[in-house]
Amino acid sequence: DGGITQSPKYLFRKEGQNVTLSCEQNLNHDAMYWYRQDPGQGLRLIYYSQIVNDFQKGDIAEGYSVSREKKESFPLTVTSAQKNPTAFYLCASTPGVRLGGNQPQHFGDGTRLSIL
Amino acid sequence: DQQVKQNSPSLSVQEGRISILNCDYTNSMFDYFLWYKKYPAEGPTFLISISSIKDKNEDGRFTVFLNKSAKHLSLHIVPSQPGDSAVYFCAASLDRKIIFGKGTRLHILP
Repeated sequence: DGGITQSPKYLFRKEGQNVTLSCEQNLNHDAMYWYRQDPGQGLRLIYYSQIVNDFQKGDIAEGYSVSREKKESFPLTVTSAQKNPTAFYLCASTPGVRLGGNQPQHFGDGTRLSIL
Repeated sequence: DQQVKQNSPSLSVQEGRISILNCDYTNSMFDYFLWYKKYPAEGPTFLISISSIKDKNEDGRFTVFLNKSAKHLSLHIVPSQPGDSAVYFCAASLDRKIIFGKGTRLHILP
């Protein structure tokens, strides 16, 4: 069954620690995205990648880093520079880079990150 | 500056009746509008979309209406079912960006 797998489902981070959230897709999609959701807020774009070895900053990229070494994988690292990392993180993908009604995003089930 | 607004944080509707979720936007250049449904601790799932050149799109129990002059769209669910209880996000796309509203939590009452 094709889809997006995010792991872990829950993650705890100590102050000053970097953590990496995993996102894997077997949909053969070219584009992948990372969003952050805070309570009562919409989804905000952190980073996106259209092809392997290429990625662009979204609206709230500060304190985050990504890599895209393989088409199916787009891990997100939350660095110690991110001062308010507690949130629900969602990974998504689309067949191509053109977002819109003809190819909406497929989402994973998210990772909830909390600070100890 | 919130370009996509869902002004009702929550909505309660009796089972079997019509649910109407509303969304307003500010940018007249948006070319597609989408609705997503989200259950707790899960990712959003795509429901239905509409191109900016249309005023209505229907898929089973779900219909989206677009009023470009008012910069307003709405999602109608008829009849409402218990499984429709979820958070609904309105989103608008332009080029490579999608902008999401804050969501409306729909409660279907028995």
